[in-house]
Amino acid sequence: QKEVEQNSGPLSVPEGAIASLNCTYSDRGSQSFFWYRQYSGKSPELIMFIYSNGDKEDGRFTAQLNKASQYVSLLIRDSQPSDSATYLCAVRLTGANSKLTFGKGITLSVRP
Amino acid sequence: DAGVIQSPRHEVTEMGQEVTLRCKPISGHDYLFWYRQTMMRGLELLIYFNNNVPIDDSGMPEDRFSAKMPNASFSTLKIQPSEPRDSAVYFCASSPSGTRLYGYTFGSGTRLTVV
Repeated sequence: QKEVEQNSGPLSVPEGAIASLNCTYSDRGSQSFFWYRQYSGKSPELIMFIYSNGDKEDGRFTAQLNKASQYVSLLIRDSQPSDSATYLCAVRLTGANSKLTFGKGITLSVRP
Repeated sequence: DAGVIQSPRHEVTEMGQEVTLRCKPISGHDYLFWYRQTMMRGLELLIYFNNNVPIDDSGMPEDRFSAKMPNASFSTLKIQPSEPRDSAVYFCASSPSGTRLYGYTFGSGTRLTVV
C-alpha cells in the first residue's frame, strides 16, 4: 500500500457545484495533513492544513480529517473555473520530522 | 520576501553532460528540500537539509546525483552524468523550524530536459 493515495481522477464538476477530493494514508500515527494546489506549469501552493479530527473551513474550502479511518478530504464549495488545477495531498508521517510525503494528485476540471 | 528562488527555469542538455540546479531558500527558513516531479511518479523527495546539514538523502536515485548546501542561503543539486530518464521538473522548497504543523513553500521549479 502506498503511503499517501489519491484517486487518480480526473474529476470534472460544473461551475457552482461542490468538488470533493479524497486522500487516504497508511501511517496511523501521522499528525499533520496538507492540501496543495498546482496549476499547470506552476509550483505547488499550500491552500489548507489540518491536524485535528473534524472540519476546518477557510472561505470556500473545507478540509476534513478522520484519523480513525485514515483519510483526509478537501471540499470546494461553489466551484469556479479558476479552481481547475491538480490538488496534492501531503502527509507528515510519524517520525518524519519536517518531511512531507505527497500523493500523486488529482486533477479537477470545473466546467463553466 | 521574494520566496524560494530557483535557477535556471529551464535547462536542456545532452546526455552525459553535467547539470547544476540552484536554489535560494526563504531567509530564516532552516529546512530545505529538493523534490522531483514526473507524471508517472508524482512528487518525490530527493534530499533535505536542516541548518545546512543533509538529514535524509534516501531519495537520491543514484550516485550521479549530489546535493550541497554550503550556507543558509544557497543549495545546489548536481547531476553528473545526466541521462534522458532524469528529465523532470525539479522543485526546491523551504520551511522554518519548530513548525511541524505547517507545510512549506516551493520555488518555481527547474524543468530539465535531457536529450
